[in-house]
Amino acid sequence: AQTVTQSQPEMSVQEAETVTLSCTYDTSESDYYLFWYKQPPSRQMILVIRQEAYKQQNATENRFSVNFQKAAKSFSLKISDSQLGDAAMYFCAYSSGTYKYIFGTGTRLKVLA
Amino acid sequence: DGGITQSPKYLFRKEGQNVTLSCEQNLNHDAMYWYRQDPGQGLRLIYYSQIVNDFQKGDIAEGYSVSREKKESFPLTVTSAQKNPTAFYLCASSPRAQGGKGSPLHFGNGTRLTVT
Repeated sequence: AQTVTQSQPEMSVQEAETVTLSCTYDTSESDYYLFWYKQPPSRQMILVIRQEAYKQQNATENRFSVNFQKAAKSFSLKISDSQLGDAAMYFCAYSSGTYKYIFGTGTRLKVLA
Repeated sequence: DGGITQSPKYLFRKEGQNVTLSCEQNLNHDAMYWYRQDPGQGLRLIYYSQIVNDFQKGDIAEGYSVSREKKESFPLTVTSAQKNPTAFYLCASSPRAQGGKGSPLHFGNGTRLTVT
């Protein structure tokens, strides 16, 4: 069965600095998708970034980028120039096309002014 | 603007009572989902529906029931058989294109259910 692991329950970053959140997954599939979602205190889940496994190029969305290492089954999220509004829970998720999305347990990010 | 509406935001019930959580979407998405979120456990799938009048059990369906009579609506009933119903419930939807593969989920704002 597929699993998603986020080993950092909590991280802190100074405003304007860079932080990397870790995510590893386990699957025997070759075709799948990976996502990072942000859940701010409002608890609305917001898509941050999406990566297709068959694409070598790492996805980027403004200050957010991923380091996708397919062989290592690693999918980390890098947040550059951290802002106070980035403080939230971040969830890594996996989907392989069965309408099932598997989520990690989340990393709480604190941004220090 | 298109989106997913969950109501109410907070819900309180006495133990032994069934309660229904509402989820409505106007995104024209075929697939809809219910997740339960507990501290330290991420999101766990309760039920999902790929199309009207069809739904499938997720990983933690016991004590829950759903219906999908309209494309826009996917209500979740938490029955008295659910042993630990107090949690945060999230509804989501996605397009059915590509068999659901790769489509990001769109989420509602959630309902916090407290059962005492």
